[in-house]
Amino acid sequence: DTGVSQDPRHKITKRGQNVTFRCDPISEHNRLYWYRQTLGQGPEFLTYFQNEAQLEKSRLLSDRFSAERPKGSFSTLEIQRTEQGDSAMYLCASSWGQNQPQHFGDGTRLSIL
Amino acid sequence: AQSVTQLDSQVPVFEEAPVELRCNYSSSVSVYLFWYVQYPNQGLQLLLKYLSGSTLVKGINGFEAEFNKSQTSFHLRKPSVHISDTAEYFCAVTQSGYNKLIFGAGTRLAVHP
Repeated sequence: DTGVSQDPRHKITKRGQNVTFRCDPISEHNRLYWYRQTLGQGPEFLTYFQNEAQLEKSRLLSDRFSAERPKGSFSTLEIQRTEQGDSAMYLCASSWGQNQPQHFGDGTRLSIL
Repeated sequence: AQSVTQLDSQVPVFEEAPVELRCNYSSSVSVYLFWYVQYPNQGLQLLLKYLSGSTLVKGINGFEAEFNKSQTSFHLRKPSVHISDTAEYFCAVTQSGYNKLIFGAGTRLAVHP
């Protein structure tokens, strides 16, 4: 169990640019989640995959956001045309079943200049 | 809709003193409850979970929590804190059949020598 891995740990970009984050879940986990955390707040749910199927998306996930999990293993989260309000920590988590504990990665901190 | 309220945004305490971090949730159906800890610039680490069974749950690092259905609470306790317990603590809930976690805003525990 090597834990959930996220890359990069930090991303600084100019407003309007596109960014992509990667998450590698714990290998035996079939469920993968993305959350966003802003300063002083708890994480907020963005989207969830079971294997390669994206089964739920929050209304926080605007059209500029897209997530994929092409082979049911790693996942990517892309933000197009970034805005100042996208600055946050993006957390990935995985679990092996419904209602089972979710294990989190260390996150990707996005800063928009 | 589900919600989680962490009643204290900050809790200062002296080393070796006991501490209680309060968490209340709103839900009319079966819930699963979790406490996570977050150290600076890191992801969330699971402290303990309540899925079913005994209402007193023991976790890592000497923490425990008690599920109280009638008061819809899941307070976190530790009989004697250490400097290393200084961190942000998040309470989270999910419902049976759901997948996303709903987090509280967090409680910052500051342990002073």
